[in-house]
Amino acid sequence: KQEVTQIPAALSVPEGENLVLNCSFTDSAIYNLQWFRQDPGKGLTSLLLIQSSQREQTSGRLNASLDKSSGRSTLYIAASQPGDSATYLCAVRPTTTDSWGKLQFGAGTQVVVTP
Amino acid sequence: DGGITQSPKYLFRKEGQNVTLSCEQNLNHDAMYWYRQDPGQGLRLIYYSQIVNDFQKGDIAEGYSVSREKKESFPLTVTSAQKNPTAFYLCASSHGTGNGYTFGSGTRLTVV
Repeated sequence: KQEVTQIPAALSVPEGENLVLNCSFTDSAIYNLQWFRQDPGKGLTSLLLIQSSQREQTSGRLNASLDKSSGRSTLYIAASQPGDSATYLCAVRPTTTDSWGKLQFGAGTQVVVTP
Repeated sequence: DGGITQSPKYLFRKEGQNVTLSCEQNLNHDAMYWYRQDPGQGLRLIYYSQIVNDFQKGDIAEGYSVSREKKESFPLTVTSAQKNPTAFYLCASSHGTGNGYTFGSGTRLTVV
């Protein structure tokens, strides 16, 4: 069964520092990996989607890498701002038939950026 | 703008009551999903539907029911059989295997 782990569970950094969030998964049979942001009491906002054939995706200050063979993805947020404070979730979409549609989530990394 | 609308934002249920959470999307996505989120437990899949008039149980379907009569709508009913329904419920949709998921803003259900 696919398991997704996010380390660290919580992270506090001063404004301006770069953020590095890690996601690991046990089964490399995935279509893609998606990073989300969740603010308290809100839904999930998609940040980046990386296909299994891709190595990285970039959007503004965000960059996500994917190493499918080692089961790892890293989300980099450059020059962090207090508005980046949120919980960040990674999720993988398995290719196995019995896991269709069952996006597997990590537990998330709670980020606090202090002014 | 295309997206997913969940309503209501907050819902209170009395013991023994059934309640229905609404989820509507205008993204023309084929697949729709319901997740439950509890503190410290992450997101767990309740039900999903790949096409109209078809749906499958997820990992925690007991005490819940769904219908998919229209492509745009995937309502979730929390029945009295669900013993611990207090949670944050999230609806999502997707199209094809190569695309990502889009989530709604969630419904917080509380038992009173």
